Amino acid sequence: ETGVTQTPRHLVMGMTNKKSLKCEQHLGHNAMYWYKQSAKKPLELMFVYNFKEQTENNSVPSRFSPECPNSSHLFLHLHTLQPEDSALYLCASSPDSGGVETQYFGPGTRLLVL
Amino acid sequence: AQKVTQAQTEISVVEKEDVTLDCVYETRDTTYYLFWYKQPPSGELVFLIRRNSFDEQNEISGRYSWNFQKSTSSFNFTITASQVVDSAVYFCALTPGGRGGADGLTFGKGTHLIIQP
Repeated sequence: ETGVTQTPRHLVMGMTNKKSLKCEQHLGHNAMYWYKQSAKKPLELMFVYNFKEQTENNSVPSRFSPECPNSSHLFLHLHTLQPEDSALYLCASSPDSGGVETQYFGPGTRLLVL
Repeated sequence: AQKVTQAQTEISVVEKEDVTLDCVYETRDTTYYLFWYKQPPSGELVFLIRRNSFDEQNEISGRYSWNFQKSTSSFNFTITASQVVDSAVYFCALTPGGRGGADGLTFGKGTHLIIQP
């Protein structure tokens, strides 16, 4: 499946910058997810959106602010990040027809915070 | 609380050898789902298989096979006659089932598989 796209693919930002990551899915899915993959930890779930409503926030710091304007788009707004926030940020989507559905992932945005 | 353990951090084999990637999980849920994903250097996680907790049948797909054993809480993945293109990081993941709605995945740390020509 190549139905989940993420932009930008690479991002370098300073600690005082504000930037946004974008995810778009072309699969007609209703659920979308943000995951963080850093070098020394397993993939960590950050946020879950189901039918545009946030259903899970996995104790993520407020410097990460998600937005889901519709079922096809998901954003992650970043501000005053720390160097330890440097990681690969992966977006995923799933049909969510009420049961457990397979999540399909985008290629990720590799973020470097200086 | 859920946990997935992939004890093998890195495995290196020569092409055409068979290789097994181990996955052990912990969960209190009676209904749950297990997944394997492949992450090539490009970074995108590629879905390989999903298995629910009530289906212990082993599965074979071409050179790939999976062995699910509830008695040992394991869901191991075997690649037969490995090829260089199989080189990637492989993740085992777990999610609860039966609750409805969307649930995030709990991932293991991944196994970096290197297939040498």
